[in-house]
Amino acid sequence: GDSVTQMEGPVTLSEEAFLTINCTYTATGYPSLFWYVQYPGEGLQLLLKATKADDKGSNKGFEATYRKETTSFHLEKGSVQVSDSAVYFCALSSNAGGTSYGKLTFGQGTILTVHP
Amino acid sequence: DTGVSQDPRHKITKRGQNVTFRCDPISEHNRLYWYRQTLGQGPEFLTYFQNEAQLEKSRLLSDRFSAERPKGSFSTLEIQRTEQGDSAMYLCASSTTGQGHEAFFGQGTRLTVV
Repeated sequence: GDSVTQMEGPVTLSEEAFLTINCTYTATGYPSLFWYVQYPGEGLQLLLKATKADDKGSNKGFEATYRKETTSFHLEKGSVQVSDSAVYFCALSSNAGGTSYGKLTFGQGTILTVHP
Repeated sequence: DTGVSQDPRHKITKRGQNVTFRCDPISEHNRLYWYRQTLGQGPEFLTYFQNEAQLEKSRLLSDRFSAERPKGSFSTLEIQRTEQGDSAMYLCASSTTGQGHEAFFGQGTRLTVV
């Protein structure tokens, strides 16, 4: 079945540091890939997405590129801020059709803490 | 539109009691999903509706769990004879149809079984 593996956390960085959170996946067909973020006390929000190989999703300075050859979708940001402190989830949605369409399979989440 | 809303936000119940949660999706969304999230883990899929039809259920959804979406609008998730292992955050999400369409999540209902 489908699965998503995220790098072990938590991740602690100083403000303006470079961020990478690794994500690899296993899926049949060509899934859509997502990064969701959960800020303290809030619900899950979509951060960015990519729907086909070599697509780059970007939002709020975060980027991730859909790499089919390495089955990866690593999240990066060049300069993190204290306000980026949150839990980040990598997820996939199978596009194999049928009733599984749109269902999300999540990684375990990575806690990011950014210090001033 | 206020997004996906869930009620209640918190529920504490005694083991063996029944509980029911409600989810109101974004009004034009025909897909509705329920997920369960335990501490330190990502959300796990429970079940999915397209309009009023329940099209998929996870193996995680035991016979004690039942979900409905009458008239394709709001949805309810009922857990009968709750067990301590049912303690978790229950998340509802909705989306439109189509590949890669964003799922919008509610803030969840946190269930504690004592």
